[in-house]
Amino acid sequence: DQQVKQNSPSLSVQEGRISILNCDYTNSMFDYFLWYKKYPAEGPTFLISISSIKDKNEDGRFTVFLNKSAKHLSLHIVPSQPGDSAVYFCAASASGTYKYIFGTGTRLKVLA
Amino acid sequence: DADVTQTPRNRITKTGKRIMLECSQTKGHDRMYWYRQDPGLGLRLIYYSFDVKDINKGEISDGYSVSRQAQAKFSLSLESAIPNQTALYFCATSARDSLVEQFFGPGTRLTVL
Repeated sequence: DQQVKQNSPSLSVQEGRISILNCDYTNSMFDYFLWYKKYPAEGPTFLISISSIKDKNEDGRFTVFLNKSAKHLSLHIVPSQPGDSAVYFCAASASGTYKYIFGTGTRLKVLA
Repeated sequence: DADVTQTPRNRITKTGKRIMLECSQTKGHDRMYWYRQDPGLGLRLIYYSFDVKDINKGEISDGYSVSRQAQAKFSLSLESAIPNQTALYFCATSARDSLVEQFFGPGTRLTVL
């Protein structure tokens, strides 16, 4: 049972445009959500997070939106750059568990 | 220097062999994790440890064992490797606080023939 789902395996976007990556979850106990970026031959690196007390968190070009009623979060990258081309994973955690459940990833390709 | 290191980076082994993957960290974190990544399946948790005396099974622990030799070291063993354990393995650490991010090593690509 996949508790965290990323239904789009891949996404292509033109440089300068907005990239929107989506993630859905099923466990209502999740209260902390993270996005990681992964380049080939490297480990995932933390990008941005949001706790369930917020519905938006912004860090430079990256914004994460959380819709708790829909159990949905999204990552917006504006403007997209070729260096953003990577696999993006969303992850979720429930307070007190200290475990993270990852989605299957979305491969973003930003076209120059 | 990398905060989380994994050795070896690549390994090819044969079915039935015992193999150990090692992870070391200099971040001073208490919590350490082992994941495997398979195409289309994302990262799945194998084992995790909250301190030297605490070891917990993750989603897919069958066929694996771990050892937390010190706060900074967490190793993953495949007692008798099988081909469907061919995957990319990642070690990760996190601080003791709740709701914090994890820091990942560069990964070990394991192939079991």
